[in-house]
Amino acid sequence: GENVEQHPSTLSVQEGDSAVIKCTYSDSASNYFPWYKQELGKRPQLIIDIRSNVGEKKDQRIAVTLNKTAKHFSLHITETQPEDSAVYFCAASEGFSSGSARQLTFGSGTQLTVLP
Amino acid sequence: EPEVTQTPSHQVTQMGQEVILRCVPISNHLYFYWYRQILGQKVEFLVSFYNNEISEKSEIFDDQFSVERPDGSNFTLKIRSTKLEDSAMYFCASSMDSRTEAFFGQGTRLTVV
Repeated sequence: GENVEQHPSTLSVQEGDSAVIKCTYSDSASNYFPWYKQELGKRPQLIIDIRSNVGEKKDQRIAVTLNKTAKHFSLHITETQPEDSAVYFCAASEGFSSGSARQLTFGSGTQLTVLP
Repeated sequence: EPEVTQTPSHQVTQMGQEVILRCVPISNHLYFYWYRQILGQKVEFLVSFYNNEISEKSEIFDDQFSVERPDGSNFTLKIRSTKLEDSAMYFCASSMDSRTEAFFGQGTRLTVV
C-alpha cells in the first residue's frame, strides 16, 4: 500500500518568512495530493490540492509542487502570518482516475508555528 | 456552505460496550469515509463506502467495526465491543465523486475507559 513520509515534524518561522513542508510517497499509482490544515481540536480542512497532470499549483500565498519522477511534493507558504499556525498534513490517493471511493493516505503532520 | 456534521462531539464509553458514531454527509455527495486520529498522531483511513457497499477498508477496520447508511442521509460507524485502543478522534468525510476533494466533519472524540 501507499506510504507517505512528511518532514519536518515541527517548523517555526518568523512572521513574514516562508515555510516549506515536504512529503514523499511510495505508490507510483497515486495521482491526487491534497494538503490539509488542522487547527487544534478542529477538523482537517483542505487548503490546496494537486493532481498528477500538473507540476505546480498556486493559490495566493500557498503553492504546491509535484515531482512525479522523484515521488515528492511540497507545500510552500509565503509571507506567513500567525494565523497560519496549525498542523499541516499532506496526503496521497489514487482516487482521481478511478470510479471507486479511494482512501487518502496521510503524512504524519507538521506543526507550523509562526512567531509574531 | 454545506458541511459534514457528526454526532456526538464527544462520547465516553466503557470497554466492551458498543458505540455508534453518526455522520450526515453533504447532501449531494456519493462517497463516504471514516478516518480516525489517535491523539498526536496522523489521520488514518478506516473505510470508504460507495453505492451502498464498502469500497475499501484498512487493517484497522476489523470485524469489530461496521458501517451503515440506514437512510438517505445518515452514515454510521459502529464499534461492537470497544477497546481502550479505540480511543481516538473519528472523522467522517464525504466527496461528490472519486475525483473531488473530501470534506471532513468536525469529528467525534471517543474515549474508552
